[in-house]
Amino acid sequence: GAGVSQSPSNKVTEKGKDVELRCDPISGHTALYWYRQSLGQGLEFLIYFQGNSAPDKSGLPSDRFSAERTGGSVSTLTIQRTQQEDSAVYLCASSFQYSNQPQHFGDGTRLSIL
Amino acid sequence: SQQGEEDPQALSIQEGENATMNCSYKTSINNLQWYRQNSGRGLVHLILIRSNEREKHSGRLRVTLDTSKKSSSLLITASRAADTASYFCATDGGAQKLVFGQGTRLTINP
Repeated sequence: GAGVSQSPSNKVTEKGKDVELRCDPISGHTALYWYRQSLGQGLEFLIYFQGNSAPDKSGLPSDRFSAERTGGSVSTLTIQRTQQEDSAVYLCASSFQYSNQPQHFGDGTRLSIL
Repeated sequence: SQQGEEDPQALSIQEGENATMNCSYKTSINNLQWYRQNSGRGLVHLILIRSNEREKHSGRLRVTLDTSKKSSSLLITASRAADTASYFCATDGGAQKLVFGQGTRLTINP
């Protein structure tokens, strides 16, 4: 059984460009989460999906950040007009529906903005 | 702001010794989870302890929870080089949102 898969694993892009990060959750997991982790730091919550809807978008840093999920499965996190402060590792996790379940993480996308 | 705060920020011990990491949090919780992160990888779930539990074991791991002090500890016994990683506590910040601490970087020296 596959775990959570994220692509690309690394992304280097110029300031001002748009980037799309992809997450394939574990099959059957209805909840999907995006986090951001700066070097040597903890995880910063960005957004959470239950099915295709996002009940909690409170962590998105600005309106340049958006995310969607289709078919209750794959999710994409889009960052428009990237800035250098967007450089970080973006982690995706999935879990079963209920809140007391462990989250299963992908290995992340390391995003570097030049 | 971070709900959980781990202490110490970094810990270096000899192989075979026990490692203890602490986590403090601010608001009431339903459960607290501990995760491990190896360098360049995602987080791996270690153990979940519910608010009505005081202690839980899993192999060489022992987790305690003191809700009156809003604190938890993770003990790794008989440490091995493979235990070298960062360890995070996470609390449920409402609904299904986990709030993570800054982590403890554990180094096991051979």
